[in-house]
Amino acid sequence: AQTVTQSQPEMSVQEAETVTLSCTYDTSESNYYLFWYKQPPSRQMILVIRQEAYKQQNATENRFSVNFQKAAKSFSLKISDSQLGDTAMYFCAYGGATNKLIFGTGTLLAVQP
Amino acid sequence: EPEVTQTPSHQVTQMGQEVILRCVPISNHLYFYWYRQILGQKVEFLVSFYNNEISEKSEIFDDQFSVERPDGSNFTLKIRSTKLEDSAMYFCASSAFVTVIQETQYFGPGTRLLVL
Repeated sequence: AQTVTQSQPEMSVQEAETVTLSCTYDTSESNYYLFWYKQPPSRQMILVIRQEAYKQQNATENRFSVNFQKAAKSFSLKISDSQLGDTAMYFCAYGGATNKLIFGTGTLLAVQP
Repeated sequence: EPEVTQTPSHQVTQMGQEVILRCVPISNHLYFYWYRQILGQKVEFLVSFYNNEISEKSEIFDDQFSVERPDGSNFTLKIRSTKLEDSAMYFCASSAFVTVIQETQYFGPGTRLLVL
C-alpha cells in the first residue's frame, strides 16, 4: 500500500524568505502523480502544484516549486518570497492507479511579518 | 473558473439522525469523490463514483454511508444514522477523467458536520 509521510508538523518563516516543506512517499507503482494542497484557516483544499512521476523536470507555479527525487521517493515544496497569505496547512498527496488520493498528515506553515 | 460547490457549509445534527451532504461537481468532470477530515487529522478517502456506480470505497465507508447522483449535476453523500465520531469536515472532489493514473482532483469548500 502507498504511504505519504510529512515529518514536519509545524514550520515558521519570515515574510519574503524561502521555506521548504518535506514529503516522502512509498509506492511500488511506476506511474503516479504527486500533489501539494494548501488548506488555509477556511479549511478549503486548494491545489498548489502537481508533478507527474514520468516527468524529470520539476514543476513550478509562480513562487511555488518542487524538488522531485523519484529514486529517493521525495517530493518537497519550496515557497519563495513567502507572503502572509501563504500561512496555511500544507498537505502532500499521492495519486496512483486507484481512484483515491492518499494524504500526508500535513505541515502547518506560519509566515511571520 | 469552474469550481466544486457544496451545501450546506455547516450542519449540526443529533446522533442517530440522517444527514445528506450535497455537492455540485465541475460540469464536465466524470469522476466524483468524498473525503473527510476529522479536526486536526489528515484528509481520508471515503468513496469514488463513476458512471453512476461506486468505483472504490474505503473501510470507513460502511453500510451507514451511501452516495447518489440523483440528477445531472448533484452528487450526494448520505449518512443514515449519524454517530458522534462522524463529526468532521466532508469534502467533495471531482476530476475530469482517470486514465492509467490519477488525474487532478478539485475540491469543494467542505461541509462541517457536527453530531451532538
